Amino acid sequence: DQQVKQNSPSLSVQEGRISILNCDYTNSMFDYFLWYKKYPAEGPTFLISISSIKDKNEDGRFTVFLNKSAKHLSLHIVPSQPGDSAVYFCAAYAYPGGGADGLTFGKGTHLIIQP
Amino acid sequence: DADVTQTPRNRITKTGKRIMLECSQTKGHDRMYWYRQDPGLGLQLIYYSFDVKDINKGEISDGYSVSRQAQAKFSLSLESAIPNQTALYFCATSPTGSDGYTFGSGTRLTVV
Repeated sequence: DQQVKQNSPSLSVQEGRISILNCDYTNSMFDYFLWYKKYPAEGPTFLISISSIKDKNEDGRFTVFLNKSAKHLSLHIVPSQPGDSAVYFCAAYAYPGGGADGLTFGKGTHLIIQP
Repeated sequence: DADVTQTPRNRITKTGKRIMLECSQTKGHDRMYWYRQDPGLGLQLIYYSFDVKDINKGEISDGYSVSRQAQAKFSLSLESAIPNQTALYFCATSPTGSDGYTFGSGTRLTVV
């Protein structure tokens, strides 16, 4: 049973517009959430994270929103740029005592930025 | 040099063969991880290690074994490879478990 769900396998957005990637989770023990970006033939790289005590974290063009009651988070990219075309993974972590170590990943969303 | 180096980058092997994937890191972190990615799926945790004496199974450890030879080295073995182990394998290291992950570039393994 998937504990972190990304229900959109792909998303196409026009350059300059806002990209919104969504993620849902089922495990209430998760208390830290991250977004990773992955280009072909490379490993995932960290993008932005948010603690469960916050509902928003912003870093330049990237903002992550967390709705704990809905067990939902989203990544907003504004404005979208061609270099943002990649696969984006949502990941979650439960601090020790809440489960095994390591991150739990969603299946990923392939973001395509159209010129 | 990359912070996390995986070898080989690509490997084709036959069913039933033993194969080892190697990983080394220069970040100086104690925690190391092996993940597997199948097409259209996210990364799934195979094994993780807090230090050379502390190795733990992840969610999909069956058919795999690991060895932590040193703080910087963590290898993954398939004792008898089978076709459904065809996947992209990533090694990673983290200082905390929750954050600061550095991933290698991956090993693409094909079992025929």
